[in-house]
Amino acid sequence: EDQVTQSPEALRLQEGESSSLNCSYTVSGLRGLFWYRQDPGKGPEFLFTLYSAGEEKEKERLKATLTKKESFLHITAPKPEDSATYLCAVRQTGANNLFFGTGTRLTVIP
Amino acid sequence: GAGVSQTPSNKVTEKGKYVELRCDPISGHTALYWYRQSLGQGPEFLIYFQGTGAADDSGLPNDRFFAVRPEGSVSTLKIQRTERGDSAVYLCASSLMEGQPQHFGDGTRLSIL
Repeated sequence: EDQVTQSPEALRLQEGESSSLNCSYTVSGLRGLFWYRQDPGKGPEFLFTLYSAGEEKEKERLKATLTKKESFLHITAPKPEDSATYLCAVRQTGANNLFFGTGTRLTVIP
Repeated sequence: GAGVSQTPSNKVTEKGKYVELRCDPISGHTALYWYRQSLGQGPEFLIYFQGTGAADDSGLPNDRFFAVRPEGSVSTLKIQRTERGDSAVYLCASSLMEGQPQHFGDGTRLSIL
């Protein structure tokens, strides 16, 4: 059964305290792994797409990496404005839709 | 605006009523998706349009749900005989073409009393 599991469910960091969010996936043929950020009351905002193991993408304080079983979203020296829910989603072979995990709720304390 | 636009932003109605939710995708985007998100969950796929046709409606929960995209741009999600369990945020996304990143609107928060 296809699954996307994100951990931890919630994470509290002090400003400047780097950490990583995990997304483990089990799909029959990966055609892309997507990271989104979602603020309360808003739709998901696209961050990155990763297609193959070993691939990395960076944007400001965020860096996403991909292996054959999981993806990490590394947050370096986070700021309070990085507080949000981070969603991971996969697109599998033969499908056009995204299959989402339940997200990690990140809170960065000043 | 440059983003995906959804209206209304909030909809409150009584059980058994009919509702229509509208999505205006990013101009030029041929692929359009509807998702539903419950509190504390990730979005769940409902239906995918490529152009005017519903290419994949496997996520629609039952025949009370229907969606159209008659001119290949704006889409309407229609829910008949609403039930309290239909309460959720309904999200629309569009992408330039199949396989490209999907860009989401801010959703319609539907509450069935």
